[in-house]
Amino acid sequence: DQQVKQNSPSLSVQEGRISILNCDYTNSMFDYFLWYKKYPAEGPTFLISISSIKDKNEDGRFTVFLNKSAKHLSLHIVPSQPGDSAVYFCAARRSNFGNEKLTFGTGTRLTIIP
Amino acid sequence: ETGVTQSPTHLIKTRGQQVTLRCSSQSGHNTVSWYQQALGQGPQFIFQYYREEENGRGNFPPRFSGLQFPNYSSELNVNALELDDSALYLCASSRGAGITDTQYFGPGTRLTVL
Repeated sequence: DQQVKQNSPSLSVQEGRISILNCDYTNSMFDYFLWYKKYPAEGPTFLISISSIKDKNEDGRFTVFLNKSAKHLSLHIVPSQPGDSAVYFCAARRSNFGNEKLTFGTGTRLTIIP
Repeated sequence: ETGVTQSPTHLIKTRGQQVTLRCSSQSGHNTVSWYQQALGQGPQFIFQYYREEENGRGNFPPRFSGLQFPNYSSELNVNALELDDSALYLCASSRGAGITDTQYFGPGTRLTVL
């Protein structure tokens, strides 16, 4: 049962343009969401998070939007840079489980075209 | 500040054997979580240790076991290896077990079971 879904396995975006990565979830108990970036031969690196009490969180070039009614979140990267080429994972967790049990999506491979 | 480190980097075992993977947490972190990432999938939560006690477990059989030591480093042990155990094993550490405590990942150990 895939509770966190990233339906686009890959995405190509021109350098300088906006990259939009999407994530859907099915478990309404999730109340904290995160995005991680992963380069080959490295572990996932934390990018940005959002609590369910917010609908937007921004950090530099990265913005995460949360639509609770649609159980959908998205990560916007503006402007996209070649170093952004990586696999991006969406993750979610429930507050009554504390820190444990991050539930990950299957990832989207983002390629930035120079 | 030293990040999360894991050893070994790569490991090849045969079915039925036992394996121990090691993780050194980031300085100041007392919580370690282990994840299994199969090819083409997102990381799957195995278990978490908080101050040397197991603090939650995912849907993995008892032959997956762990330890956390007083210095907060950790081991993942897998007995009676099966072919499906072939995966990247990721360790993540965090300052605590709260929902906003970000998990920082190591580079992983690639296990191949023949």
